[in-house]
Amino acid sequence: SAVISQKPSRDICQRGTSLTIQCQVDSQVTMMFWYRQQPGQSLTLIATANQGSEATYESGFVIDKFPISRPNLTFSTLTVSNMSPEDSSIYLCSVTGTLGTDTQYFGPGTRLTVL
Amino acid sequence: GDSVTQMEGPVTLSEEAFLTINCTYTATGYPSLFWYVQYPGEGLQLLLKATKADDKGSNKGFEATYRKETTSFHLEKGSVQVSDSAVYFCALLQGAQKLVFGQGTRLTINP
Repeated sequence: SAVISQKPSRDICQRGTSLTIQCQVDSQVTMMFWYRQQPGQSLTLIATANQGSEATYESGFVIDKFPISRPNLTFSTLTVSNMSPEDSSIYLCSVTGTLGTDTQYFGPGTRLTVL
Repeated sequence: GDSVTQMEGPVTLSEEAFLTINCTYTATGYPSLFWYVQYPGEGLQLLLKATKADDKGSNKGFEATYRKETTSFHLEKGSVQVSDSAVYFCALLQGAQKLVFGQGTRLTINP
């Protein structure tokens, strides 16, 4: 399966600032997704990152707060804007298209703490 | 909408015990079903999957069978090890893209 990396692996940020998280895959993939895992909780899909066009956001998530880019088939970024302590979570990217389109493989995650 | 319900944790077992983690789902149609595992401090790893009724997914001694009649996908392992301590997530694929996760079950295996 594809090797998925995320940067940074963790960060501690101040309220009101923004952080951009990168997701890099070592091969071209069909779909890329961004999930949020709040402390002690399950995973929630934020959006689907579409190559060359605007991301598709799930209910409760908006582009102004979570802008996403996907310039090519191996790379995507998620920005968490104007952060508050409630944004403290693990953010994970996932991909499909490597070994069957219905199976998603996850990156290691970015652990974000907002003070 | 579609949803997944897992048995509440945490679950604590002794090494070599038999493991069952219950998972039931509500969905329109026949989604693909998955178990993912999250080891401490790590991301999610795919453990096993099943794509149609009566399919059995298996990996690393874990098994789960897609039961359409009971809308269930229970995870089982005959003899657990300390290294199996992790959080286990049941999930279904909604449509072609969206994974819907259960709340997760934390498993601790004591030597």
